[in-house]
Formats: sequence, C-alpha cells, structure tokens
Amino acid sequence: QKEVEQNSGPLSVPEGAIASLNCTYSDRGSQSFFWYRQYSGKSPELIMFIYSNGDKEDGRFTAQLNKASQYVSLLIRDSQPSDSATYLCAVNDKAAGNKLTFGGGTRVLVKP
Amino acid sequence: SQTIHQWPATLVQPVGSPLSLECTVEGTSNPNLYWYRQAAGRGLQLLFYSVGIGQISSEVPQNLSASRPQDRQFILSSKKLLLSDSGFYLCAWSVGNNQPQHFGDGTRLSIL
Repeated sequence: QKEVEQNSGPLSVPEGAIASLNCTYSDRGSQSFFWYRQYSGKSPELIMFIYSNGDKEDGRFTAQLNKASQYVSLLIRDSQPSDSATYLCAVNDKAAGNKLTFGGGTRVLVKP
Repeated sequence: SQTIHQWPATLVQPVGSPLSLECTVEGTSNPNLYWYRQAAGRGLQLLFYSVGIGQISSEVPQNLSASRPQDRQFILSSKKLLLSDSGFYLCAWSVGNNQPQHFGDGTRLSIL
C-alpha cells in the first residue's frame, strides 16, 4: 500500500512569515509530485507540481523535492490570511497507471 | 481551455434511494477521468478511474458503480444509497502520464 504522509496541523503562521509544509512518500518509483490547496467546502486546486530534485518557484510558492530522502515540501513566502486552507500533497503511483495517492492534508492558519 | 462540470452541487437523498452524479469535461480528448470521495475532515479516497470509453477500474468495493458512456462523460451511480455514502464527491481529469489532475467543483451528498 503506497503511502503519503503529512502533518495534519493546524500550522499557525503569522502574516508575512514563511509557511513550511512537508510530505513524505513510500514509493521510491514515484516521479510526479503535486501540491493542491483546498479551501473549506471547496474542491482542491492545483498550485504546484515538481518532477525533478531541487527547488521550483512560482510566485510566493516554492516546491522542494528530495527523491533520495523521499520527501517533498512546499514553502509559502509572505503568507497572507487568504493562504489559510488545507494543503494536499499528491504523488503518482507509476505501478498503478500513474494514479495519484493523496496525503491527508495540512491545515494552515495565517493570523493577521 | 479545458473545463470540467459536475452536477448537482448539492444533493439530499433518503437511505435506499438511487444515485446518479454526472461529470463532463470540455476542451480535451481522451482524458483520464476519476471519481473521489472526501468524508468530512478526511483525505481524498479514489473510488473509480477510467482511461477510456467503457474502461472502468474500481478502487474500493462498495455499493457504487461508475460508467463512461462517452469520451468526456463520467457517471457515478448507486442502486441503493447507504448512510455511509454521505460525503463530498469529486470528479477529476488528467491527460497523459505524470500529469496533474484537475478537479470539478464537487457534489455534496447528504443521506438521510
């Protein structure tokens, strides 16, 4: 059973600070890694994806991938109250038709 | 651009009644299609996925079924709903391997 683990939180962050979210996965063969944001009562929205080791930046978001250690992280710089949401990590399962396995999500609260 | 439509947005059904939820995708051909369920405060559970017309893979044994009568149409059904079928049902699509999935707005199903 492929697993994706996230700290459920809540991760409380002051406005303007950096929020750091972590995700570990069990399948060494995984090749694709995704971060989704889900506001309460809404559907998940893709915010980042990363395929290669290292960092990938998009605006205030940076995804970091370390395949050797089997973790992927998301940094949110200059956190805003509108960033308060649950962040879902997803990893592809290459052996199973590239379906995605989702973590349980980390709830982030940005306090003004 | 691609869009995904799910309906209805909310649904209240009595125990033992049938169910039909529909999802359609526009702007792409031969997408992979997925049905997920998210219980309150929980992660995403993959129910079914399809890589083509008439091709359905079931992830979790239950009283639900899925069908794909057309390339961009995915239907989730049940003959008799159970209380445990309550939840937030999400349809998603992707194209190709290692590509992100994109979600519809979801259907919130309550069973009475």
